[in-house]
Amino acid sequence: QKEVEQDPGPLSVPEGAIVSLNCTYSNSAFQYFMWYRQYSRKGPELLMYTYSSGNKEDGRFTAQVDKSSKYISLFIRDSQPSDSATYLCAMDTGRRALTFGSGTRLQVQP
Amino acid sequence: SAVISQKPSRDICQRGTSLTIQCQVDSQVTMMFWYRQQPGQSLTLIATANQGSEATYESGFVIDKFPISRPNLTFSTLTVSNMSPEDSSIYLCSTRPGLATDNEQFFGPGTRLTVL
Repeated sequence: QKEVEQDPGPLSVPEGAIVSLNCTYSNSAFQYFMWYRQYSRKGPELLMYTYSSGNKEDGRFTAQVDKSSKYISLFIRDSQPSDSATYLCAMDTGRRALTFGSGTRLQVQP
Repeated sequence: SAVISQKPSRDICQRGTSLTIQCQVDSQVTMMFWYRQQPGQSLTLIATANQGSEATYESGFVIDKFPISRPNLTFSTLTVSNMSPEDSSIYLCSTRPGLATDNEQFFGPGTRLTVL
């Protein structure tokens, strides 16, 4: 079993929809949780960074962490075609080396 | 944040040769990381490179195959040695520019390597 599980998609939604992206994990030592966006042929871009359980909002993006369920989510409101990319969750125990999910490919249709 | 550049951006190499990838950060950083992203896959950590010490390699990666240099606080190189087609991947440099308690990690644009 992988430490971090993420549905690879592809996930296709119409423009303006609310998108929900999720990851589950098995290692209870993970404390830091990140979401990256990766466009084709580019490096990952840090979108959201959270520590421990709770919600964090930044513009159209909301990151949610539920450590009791070992479950994290990224919500994208009012999705745009420019949001079409692969979204990667990543986690860290504090050892300073990230463990990544496999990535979810998102397509926002105009 | 940190601005990270890599050279080359892409290369096509012959089996059995070696390629050195350079990573430059716009600020001094303690830790630099090298990741591999195989086609259609997620990122896998190869090694952690601290200035002034030997790189620490993850399980499945060895120094003879992926030697790393870290001559100063803004620069690192990764060499992919004796390449085979299985080494075809994107290689990514990464760092955490913040305080010791700050875990935000940033990535370079990657080097796309194709081995024939």
